Amino acid sequence: AQTVTQSQPEMSVQEAETVTLSCTYDTSESNYYLFWYKQPPSRQMILVIRQEAYKQQNATENRFSVNFQKAAKSFSLKISDSQLGDTAMYFCAFMAYSGNTPLVFGKGTRLSVIA
Amino acid sequence: SQTIHQWPATLVQPVGSPLSLECTVEGTSNPNLYWYRQAAGRGLQLLFYSVGIGQISSEVPQNLSASRPQDRQFILSSKKLLLSDSGFYLCAWSPPGLRRNQPQHFGDGTRLSIL
Repeated sequence: AQTVTQSQPEMSVQEAETVTLSCTYDTSESNYYLFWYKQPPSRQMILVIRQEAYKQQNATENRFSVNFQKAAKSFSLKISDSQLGDTAMYFCAFMAYSGNTPLVFGKGTRLSVIA
Repeated sequence: SQTIHQWPATLVQPVGSPLSLECTVEGTSNPNLYWYRQAAGRGLQLLFYSVGIGQISSEVPQNLSASRPQDRQFILSSKKLLLSDSGFYLCAWSPPGLRRNQPQHFGDGTRLSIL
């Protein structure tokens, strides 16, 4: 079974600064996908970024980028130029390529952006 | 485009009462459907997922059940609610079949309070 671990329950960052959220996972699968979801106070779950495990290049989406280290089973999220609207819970998620297995989520990191 | 509707948005129920939460998806056929629960300050716990009509997989044994009477309708039910059933319930969908790199899309959630 796959597990996803987010070791930072809470983090804070000054507006305009950069912050990195950690995520590690455990799996015996070789093909899989990794995602970061954002849940703002409105409680909506919003996809931030995704990474295919077979791609060596790290995914980027505007101010959001990942550092994917497959051998270390690490998938951290970097937020550059942090904005007040980035305040939210951030969830790391894993999905195996095989079968119809659903997403496995970490417990989340609560990020507060401070003005 | 695809949309997901989940209702009600908020529900207050007494202990021992029944429950029915409904989720529908528009703009796609044969989606994979999911029910998650998020307890206060916690991550997402997968409760049920379905890859087709009448096909329900249960991840966590409990007093909740799920049904999929129609292709794009997913219902979460209980005959007798417990205090521990309080939480935020999220429905999600993803494209069917082999489009494994497609992430899940979430509804707006139902906040359930048990008194």
